[in-house]
Amino acid sequence: DAGVTQSPTHLIKTRGQHVTLRCSPISGHKSVSWYQQVLGQGPQFIFQYYEKEERGRGNFPDRFSARQFPNYSSELNVNALLLGDSALYLCASSWGLAGGNEQYFGPGTRLTVT
Amino acid sequence: GENVEQHPSTLSVQEGDSAVIKCTYSDSASNYFPWYKQELGKRPQLIIDIRSNVGEKKDQRIAVTLNKTAKHFSLHITETQPEDSAVYFCAASIRGNNRLAFGKGNQVVVIP
Repeated sequence: DAGVTQSPTHLIKTRGQHVTLRCSPISGHKSVSWYQQVLGQGPQFIFQYYEKEERGRGNFPDRFSARQFPNYSSELNVNALLLGDSALYLCASSWGLAGGNEQYFGPGTRLTVT
Repeated sequence: GENVEQHPSTLSVQEGDSAVIKCTYSDSASNYFPWYKQELGKRPQLIIDIRSNVGEKKDQRIAVTLNKTAKHFSLHITETQPEDSAVYFCAASIRGNNRLAFGKGNQVVVIP
């Protein structure tokens, strides 16, 4: 019974580069959400997808984009990386969108921008 | 948008004592309030949650209370053990959806 998986585990990029992070939800879950967790802070909501459509977006610049595929996996893309983008990027999956649908987190991708 | 405040930031307790973490939220449309435990270098793990139609929920040594009128909710850990040492995050659903706004976290240290 696999949980949420993310790849890669760690990533080091330089300023100005582009990065793609990947997430596979728990089998049967149709919603994927992305969060950014800066060291010492709580996760901050970036995007939510359900049935391949964007259903919510947090307060992040247009350099951040995402998509969801027919198999419900998802990618988060970040362009023109800044030092401040260094963080743990967490993916969470849930069955649906209604309040009360538990979100289960993946192990995260640790992104370091130098 | 939703704003979640979490207090205190750090809490040290003797093993066997109780720990209480309090959170407040701002969006009256929030209807789901989960708590996550995050150990160093690991993913946040859901430990308990409460929905807006109940005031209290308990699971073994962990309990959560919700006061919708005052817009605050609390996590109670009884008979603390060293393995309870971690960062605990409260969260509230955003605009009735299940996407979450998190507090800044509370470092709980259980002293053996």
